[in-house]
Amino acid sequence: EIVLTQSPGTLSLSPGERATLSCRASQSVRSSYLGWYQQKPGQAPRLLMYGVSSRATGIPDRFSGSGSGTDFTLTISRLEPEDFAVYYCQQYGGSFTFGQGTKLEIK
Amino acid sequence: QVQLVQSGSDVKEPGTSVKLSCTAARYTFSNYYIHWVRQAPGRGLEWLGRIDPGGGSTHYAQTFQGRVVMTRDTSTSTVYMDLGSLTSEDTALYYCARERPGNCHFDYWGQGALVTVFS
Repeated sequence: EIVLTQSPGTLSLSPGERATLSCRASQSVRSSYLGWYQQKPGQAPRLLMYGVSSRATGIPDRFSGSGSGTDFTLTISRLEPEDFAVYYCQQYGGSFTFGQGTKLEIK
Repeated sequence: QVQLVQSGSDVKEPGTSVKLSCTAARYTFSNYYIHWVRQAPGRGLEWLGRIDPGGGSTHYAQTFQGRVVMTRDTSTSTVYMDLGSLTSEDTALYYCARERPGNCHFDYWGQGALVTVFS
């Protein structure tokens, strides 16, 4: 089973700043099968990115994804108040696994 | 708008089983896999398995093999997940989520159903 490790655990930033979230896999992940989700308190996760760098329907272009192999990054270019949430990466390599999450909080 | 509507919360005793439902609406039920993902209080996301509503085939996470069963009723566009031999470790919010076969990501999620295992 592929283990995904996200860093940092918590990221404290201000609106308008740039956020960089990391997801590292224990073995190589096929790029088609790497996604990111956003979860706000009391809500189900929402798909942000799939196939590393494709934005899901309705996701603004301040969100971008990059990476390959074992290292992947979600970047939010300019934080809006509604972006403060928990972010999870997810992969499929025979089974589905998620990272433990990065909490993006207001500084 | 696609909808996945889940059954309500439940409280179970250890050693028993729970059966959750997920009813799909506003898309072709047989064209998308339904997965089950859970989240223990204050914790991350854990995948339990998926069912193909079209043919009924299933794929379970190794962790849950032998105590999870997923079924579907095409007449009501509903998927069921039965999880047995419950322990307190199974206390979690259980989500169903949709995948277009081969995409390997979840584009729509249900609202979640809280299962509390309590003696």
